[in-house]
Amino acid sequence: RKEVEQDPGPFNVPEGATVAFNCTYSNSASQSFFWYRQDCRKEPKLLMSVYSSGNEDGRFTAQLNRASQYISLLIRDSKLSDSATYLCVVTTGGGADGLTFGKGTHLIIQP
Amino acid sequence: EADIYQTPRYLVIGTGKKITLECSQTMGHDKMYWYQQDPGMELHLIHYSYGVNSTEKGDLSSESTVSRIRTEHFPLTLESARPSHTSQYLCASSAGQVEAFFGQGTRLTVV
Repeated sequence: RKEVEQDPGPFNVPEGATVAFNCTYSNSASQSFFWYRQDCRKEPKLLMSVYSSGNEDGRFTAQLNRASQYISLLIRDSKLSDSATYLCVVTTGGGADGLTFGKGTHLIIQP
Repeated sequence: EADIYQTPRYLVIGTGKKITLECSQTMGHDKMYWYQQDPGMELHLIHYSYGVNSTEKGDLSSESTVSRIRTEHFPLTLESARPSHTSQYLCASSAGQVEAFFGQGTRLTVV
């Protein structure tokens, strides 16, 4: 079983719609959680951290469910510019294997 | 903007040549990483470092080597480049269990 699993998509979503995707993690000792965004042929960039209480940044909402071991990302009023690959990142304790990337979910916003 | 830099951004080189990809960060981060990523594919960790004089191999076997003589500098070397090494190489750094910051990447083509 992969440590961090994401549905690779692609998710084809009309502009203005709301889209959500999840990421599951296998290590119950995981400590920190993040969503990154990666545009085609670019480096990944931090989109937002995910806190236990959930957090919102404009049209983006991230939530953590420790009991079921998943994090989610919700995008409201999607824009064409939201088209990208969204990477789930989980950290555990110590070592580079404490920084685990999912394979990413590919999102395409269609006009 | 993250203060982590990679040079060169693009490199086309002949088979058998020795190459060094440079990565520097000015954030004082102890942890640094090298990832390899083919177009449309997931990130693969090939090397990481906890700090000066610390280097470890990642999940993906690589013929490259790394060194960490200074905190801010984490170069990657290929002694004899081959076409199979053609890929994008991404360097990242982090401070403990927080988010990682990526350089813009080096796109390597071996002909």
